[in-house]
Amino acid sequence: EAGVAQSPRYKIIEKRQSVAFWCNPISGHATLYWYQQILGQGPKLLIQFQNNGVVDDSQLPKDRFSAERLKGVDSTLKIQPAKLEDSAVYLCASSLEGTSGQETQYFGPGTRLLVL
Amino acid sequence: GQNIDQPTEMTATEGAIVQINCTYQTSGFNGLFWYQQHAGEAPTFLSYNVLDGLEEKGRFSSFLSRSKGYSYLLLKELQMKDSASYLCAVRAPSGNTPLVFGKGTRLSVIA
Repeated sequence: EAGVAQSPRYKIIEKRQSVAFWCNPISGHATLYWYQQILGQGPKLLIQFQNNGVVDDSQLPKDRFSAERLKGVDSTLKIQPAKLEDSAVYLCASSLEGTSGQETQYFGPGTRLLVL
Repeated sequence: GQNIDQPTEMTATEGAIVQINCTYQTSGFNGLFWYQQHAGEAPTFLSYNVLDGLEEKGRFSSFLSRSKGYSYLLLKELQMKDSASYLCAVRAPSGNTPLVFGKGTRLSVIA
């Protein structure tokens, strides 16, 4: 079974530029998550989708971050304009339904972003 | 709110046993997860506890005490490849809510 795919793996941009990340979840997984992981810290949820609807985006900085999952499969996360403090690894995860406490989230390899 | 605490770093010797503790204060509880994360890689699932007690899975075991807001991950017969960060994560009451992660414990296994 193929895992969660993400691209690009690495990205270097200058502050105030825009950047977009792509995620393809495990086939059949209804729930998709984007996390931000700053060096030395645990992942922090940015946004959660159930199919193509947003379940939780309370920690997404909406003035600069946006995300979509138009057809309930792939998702993109965009930052516009980027700030230095956005340097982090952006992890995408998926789970089957997201409605069971026991349900495991499977993570992609992440996109490592460096903002100069 | 949610608060999850774990030690920042630990060092242990190859072949030994190490226990990584996690304490949490959360508004509700619906399960605790442990993930392993090697440097530069994605977190991978290790264990899940929702009831009190010990869950054993090979060299790894995880314990939960809900009344104390406490969990630990026990790694036996340590191998060099166990050098990684270990993340404790809690899920709030509703099954559809995401995980809240601790900062992780970076374990170094030395010869």
